[in-house]
Amino acid sequence: GQSLEQPSEVTAVEGAIVQINCTYQTSGFYGLSWYQQHDGGAPTFLSYNGLDGLEETGRFSSFLSRSDSYGYLLLQELQMKDSASYFCALKGGANNLFFGTGTRLTVIP
Amino acid sequence: GAGVSQTPSNKVTEKGKYVELRCDPISGHTALYWYRQSLGQGPEFLIYFQGTGAADDSGLPNDRFFAVRPEGSVSTLKIQRTERGDSAVYLCASSFTSGSYNEQFFGPGTRLTVL
Repeated sequence: GQSLEQPSEVTAVEGAIVQINCTYQTSGFYGLSWYQQHDGGAPTFLSYNGLDGLEETGRFSSFLSRSDSYGYLLLQELQMKDSASYFCALKGGANNLFFGTGTRLTVIP
Repeated sequence: GAGVSQTPSNKVTEKGKYVELRCDPISGHTALYWYRQSLGQGPEFLIYFQGTGAADDSGLPNDRFFAVRPEGSVSTLKIQRTERGDSAVYLCASSFTSGSYNEQFFGPGTRLTVL
């Protein structure tokens, strides 16, 4: 089976940097994705790691260590609009996604 | 271009009734996925279509749930004899399938409430 663990809530100050960690267990690893979801909205893709290392996309970066079964999402220059839930998700063999329970990020002024 | 659309946006039904939820994927996307999301949880995979065929239906919880995609575009998720536990937001996503990874584009979801 598969399981993912991430913090349930994180609070950070506008303009700061925040890191959301994700640890996982899986019998077969195909990749780790990150999605953002605002309340009442659809999940939207942020980043993907298929191999170890850092992927950077604007203010968002994602890191993966397959040997540690660990990844994180880094959000820089936080803005109020970044307040949302963030999900790490394991990519399945059939391209489906297995999501964690999500981290609710609150950005405060 | 248009994103993934889902209809209806809200559906209220009574226990034991039959419901159909529709998904229109992004034009040209051959892969289509159904997920459901309960409050405070992440989306839970239900079924994946590649073209017209169900490539993976391992997430369907039981035989009351069925989905079709007869022409390789629009998909319908069908739930028979609905139960209160079926209440959730049902999300549809689509993607290309070439390459090592393909971003999934999600629709706004259908909020199903079973009374």
